[in-house]
Amino acid sequence: DSGVTQTPKHLITATGQRVTLRCSPRSGDLSVYWYQQSLDQGLQFLIQYYNGEERAKGNILERFSAQQFPDLHSELNLSSLELGDSALYFCASSVVPYEQYFGPGTRLTVT
Amino acid sequence: GEDVEQSLFLSVREGDSSVINCTYTDSSSTYLYWYKQEPGAGLQLLTYIFSNMDMKQDQRLTVLLNKKDKHLSLRIADTQTGDSAIYFCAESSNDYKLSFGAGTTVTVRA
Repeated sequence: DSGVTQTPKHLITATGQRVTLRCSPRSGDLSVYWYQQSLDQGLQFLIQYYNGEERAKGNILERFSAQQFPDLHSELNLSSLELGDSALYFCASSVVPYEQYFGPGTRLTVT
Repeated sequence: GEDVEQSLFLSVREGDSSVINCTYTDSSSTYLYWYKQEPGAGLQLLTYIFSNMDMKQDQRLTVLLNKKDKHLSLRIADTQTGDSAIYFCAESSNDYKLSFGAGTTVTVRA
């Protein structure tokens, strides 16, 4: 158990809908990272927050957004969902950036 | 991120050593990593190596880095059935965004 928690574990929704994925980092970790794992794209970095501020952005679609709250938990919002958004979404957290610890992931299925 | 490549499958007999190889293209890579993913689980950080090192050993795991050839390997000594998993090679440069390979599925046979 890495200490990073993610909810929900599974999410099934329809195209066009909007969902929110939640991540609670390990105690004391200020950085949160979001990654997407899909069959065709593999594991891709989406976005990083540090102590509430956006620090780095990867291949994140404009339909996706994230934020980190004062209690350091983070949410990833996915809107106007398409079939191709079906994937595992991982959150990771770190104290030092070269030691990222991953949560168990949220499996999103868009039908 | 830059390209990270690794072979897709490795089959090894229980008790033997496993060697998983990875190549990367980003010459500015600062850290190289190995993560393990078991079925239905998240990624577990196994080990990492700073780019100015050429070897790191941690119990049954040995990481070798050839920076000139941009080649990273992970050796698992005395491979056990619990080592069956997907192993991801990853790299990051100064921005610490992880770029992953496609993963090597390691199957340990009795």
